Amino acid sequence: KNEVEQSPQNLTAQEGEFITINCSYSVGISALHWLQQHPGGGIVSLFMLSSGKKKHGRLIATINIQEKHSSLHITASHPRDSAVYICAVLGLGANSKLTFGKGITLSVRP
Amino acid sequence: DAGVIQSPRHEVTEMGQEVTLRCKPISGHDYLFWYRQTMMRGLELLIYFNNNVPIDDSGMPEDRFSAKMPNASFSTLKIQPSEPRDSAVYFCASSFSLAGLNEQFFGPGTRLTVL
Repeated sequence: KNEVEQSPQNLTAQEGEFITINCSYSVGISALHWLQQHPGGGIVSLFMLSSGKKKHGRLIATINIQEKHSSLHITASHPRDSAVYICAVLGLGANSKLTFGKGITLSVRP
Repeated sequence: DAGVIQSPRHEVTEMGQEVTLRCKPISGHDYLFWYRQTMMRGLELLIYFNNNVPIDDSGMPEDRFSAKMPNASFSTLKIQPSEPRDSAVYFCASSFSLAGLNEQFFGPGTRLTVL
């Protein structure tokens, strides 16, 4: 079983829809990343959070440490949001490292 | 700052050849990471450095892979000899801190194809 599971694997939405992408993990963590990778391949870090909720523009990330679960929400989705969204967790300990989910491919149709 | 710089952007080589990938981190960042991304396995951490010192190389797949960071502004990832299964996109990333709430900044990646 992977340490980081993301669902759904592929997601298609209509422009304007509210989208939720989920991430579950099985290990203790100190923080969780959400990354965005566009078709060209570039990777951008969207959020890094260890508790509660963060908001940036139309993106909202939440995390529930007790349930080992995080969600990434996209409000008023747009075709430019089409990308792969990757969840990664940072383990506990001074020299911990990131473990990545396989990513979710999101397509937003106009 | 120009961000994390990687070169080359694309590399096509034949099996058995030596491949060297290069990375220039963002100035002032203490941590540098090398990642590999494939369709089958997604993103995987290969190795990371703190202040030019390798901290964790447990992700390096085989002895054919080696990484160095001779100074704070340059790192290399070398594969010798290369094999077709090494074909992947290799990303370099840097950050201020590992344990703190800081983001990692990724380079554009090097797409390696080993024939």
